[in-house]
Amino acid sequence: DAGVIQSPRHEVTEMGQEVTLRCKPISGHNSLFWYRQTMMRGLELLIYFNNNVPIDDSGMPEDRFSAKMPNASFSTLKIQPSEPRDSAVYFCASRSGTSGSGQFFGPGTRLTVL
Amino acid sequence: QQQVKQSPQSLIVQKGGISIINCAYENTAFDYFPWYQQFPGKGPALLIAIRPDVSEKKEGRFTISFNKSAKQFSLHIMDSQPGDSATYFCAASKVQGAQKLVFGQGTRLTINP
Repeated sequence: DAGVIQSPRHEVTEMGQEVTLRCKPISGHNSLFWYRQTMMRGLELLIYFNNNVPIDDSGMPEDRFSAKMPNASFSTLKIQPSEPRDSAVYFCASRSGTSGSGQFFGPGTRLTVL
Repeated sequence: QQQVKQSPQSLIVQKGGISIINCAYENTAFDYFPWYQQFPGKGPALLIAIRPDVSEKKEGRFTISFNKSAKQFSLHIMDSQPGDSATYFCAASKVQGAQKLVFGQGTRLTINP
């Protein structure tokens, strides 16, 4: 099992540019989560999907952030336009539907907005 | 009511010693309490988890102690090794549903050889 795959691993962009982060969950997992990690705020849940449907996006900081999951094997997190305060490590995680099973995190995308 | 408070922020332990990290939660509806381990440049990895129907769970050198009445739980690492040096996060959620985890702020653990 390849685990959760994220791309790119590092992204450097300029303020105002559009940024798209990508995630491939573990095959067979039906829940997918997007997190943001910063020194100041720690790990924050941005949005999660269940069976490709967005369930709770209350953690999305602003309308500049959007996420999609067009199928069970792919999800994107888009920031448009990006701002320096969006600089963080963004993680994708997935879990199976089995009660009590844990979330498995990807390696993260380190985003730097100049 | 959604907060999970973790302490200490950082911890230094000698090799072979016991590392103890504590967490407290507020929401009594939480019934799933995992611990995650994160190495620099990596994503958090699930280490061990506990449900409130037991007061302790042990997996190898890692033990979770759970106190339901105090709404507290802790991670104990026995015979701590330099390879255990990492950041540890506690979390809490309801076990039913999609598992919306609330994370503690993390503890940076350093094991001195």
